[in-house]
Amino acid sequence: DGGITQSPKYLFRKEGQNVTLSCEQNLNHDAMYWYRQDPGQGLRLIYYSQIVNDFQKGDIAEGYSVSREKKESFPLTVTSAQKNPTAFYLCASRAANEKLFFGSGTQLSVL
Amino acid sequence: DQQVKQNSPSLSVQEGRISILNCDYTNSMFDYFLWYKKYPAEGPTFLISISSIKDKNEDGRFTVFLNKSAKHLSLHIVPSQPGDSAVYFCAASPGTGGGNKLTFGTGTQLKVEL
Repeated sequence: DGGITQSPKYLFRKEGQNVTLSCEQNLNHDAMYWYRQDPGQGLRLIYYSQIVNDFQKGDIAEGYSVSREKKESFPLTVTSAQKNPTAFYLCASRAANEKLFFGSGTQLSVL
Repeated sequence: DQQVKQNSPSLSVQEGRISILNCDYTNSMFDYFLWYKKYPAEGPTFLISISSIKDKNEDGRFTVFLNKSAKHLSLHIVPSQPGDSAVYFCAASPGTGGGNKLTFGTGTQLKVEL
């Protein structure tokens, strides 16, 4: 079954803690993306990567970091510098026909 | 600056009738548009797309219309079914080159009532 796998489904962060959200894809897509969804807002782009070992900041990258050491994996770290981390995080990869395929998301909450 | 706008946060339609979801954009560089459907606690799924060289694209019950001069697109669902109840996001991209970012609208919650 090809697709995007995000884990965990739910994650809680304590004050001052860094947490990492996992995203794995077996679609052989080059480009991968991280979006954040807040209630009443659209999907806002955090970071994206077009190829391995390369990534660019999106519109709201502050307080986040990523790595792209393997084509299949694009983990997102929410650092303690992100003061409002509570949101639904979506990972996606992009096919050659421009369509984005999304994972099922991670809900991050602050304790 | 919201470059892709969906001004109706919610829409309620009776089963069997037409649902019309609207989307406006401000960036004249956008020339590829997509609609995504999202259920709660799930990732969005691709629904239909349209390139700026067309003004209409149809796929089964779903039709997207593009009015470039008005910078407006709409998604028509006919007939609407209860399973269509979801949040619909409009998205736009400046071309179809690899790696181009998609800019999403804020979404419209569609409720199809029996």
